[in-house]
Amino acid sequence: DTAVSQTPKYLVTQMGNDKSIKCEQNLGHDTMYWYKQDSKKFLKIMFSYNNKELIINETVPNRFSPKSPDKAHLNLHINSLELGDSAVYFCASSPLLAGAYNEQFFGPGTRLTVL
Amino acid sequence: KQEVTQIPAALSVPEGENLVLNCSFTDSAIYNLQWFRQDPGKGLTSLLLIQSSQREQTSGRLNASLDKSSGRSTLYIAASQPGDSATYLCLTSGSRLTFGEGTQLTVNP
Repeated sequence: DTAVSQTPKYLVTQMGNDKSIKCEQNLGHDTMYWYKQDSKKFLKIMFSYNNKELIINETVPNRFSPKSPDKAHLNLHINSLELGDSAVYFCASSPLLAGAYNEQFFGPGTRLTVL
Repeated sequence: KQEVTQIPAALSVPEGENLVLNCSFTDSAIYNLQWFRQDPGKGLTSLLLIQSSQREQTSGRLNASLDKSSGRSTLYIAASQPGDSATYLCLTSGSRLTFGEGTQLTVNP
């Protein structure tokens, strides 16, 4: 009965490869997010989707492409992986009430290592 | 651009002590502020959410306050325990979503 789940938990790959991380939430929330936590543990928003529509797209290389097949899923596809992409990627979800972000619930994270 | 600062970056206290963690932000036009804890190698656990219209929220030994006009929030932890050891993060939600860099708390038995 996990609220926000991500797969895989660990991902080790070579530079130049393409990989995807999947996220699912069973909380019935309208909004989902991807965050990146770098080696210094700093968390930064990457994308946010509301009801399958992109609402936040921070300054992220276009090698990163989020895909939301339905409002319970938000996947992250990364092309041509680079060493600097190594990080922990967190998915989160929240209800969107009165046009404002509300309490966010986070997944367990996916640790991506690019060799 | 919203900037969120958490001071101190690290804090070590003996068990039983009451303590305060600070979160400062530059843009007061926020909808809410959320406090999380993160254990090493784990995800984020939501602790408290304060809406912009609220002054404080309480959950057990935790009390979070919000002063939008001064751009500050505090997280008060009463009677700290070794199990409280973790990194504490604040997240402001306004036109942008911005995390602070966190305070690493160690509670020594």
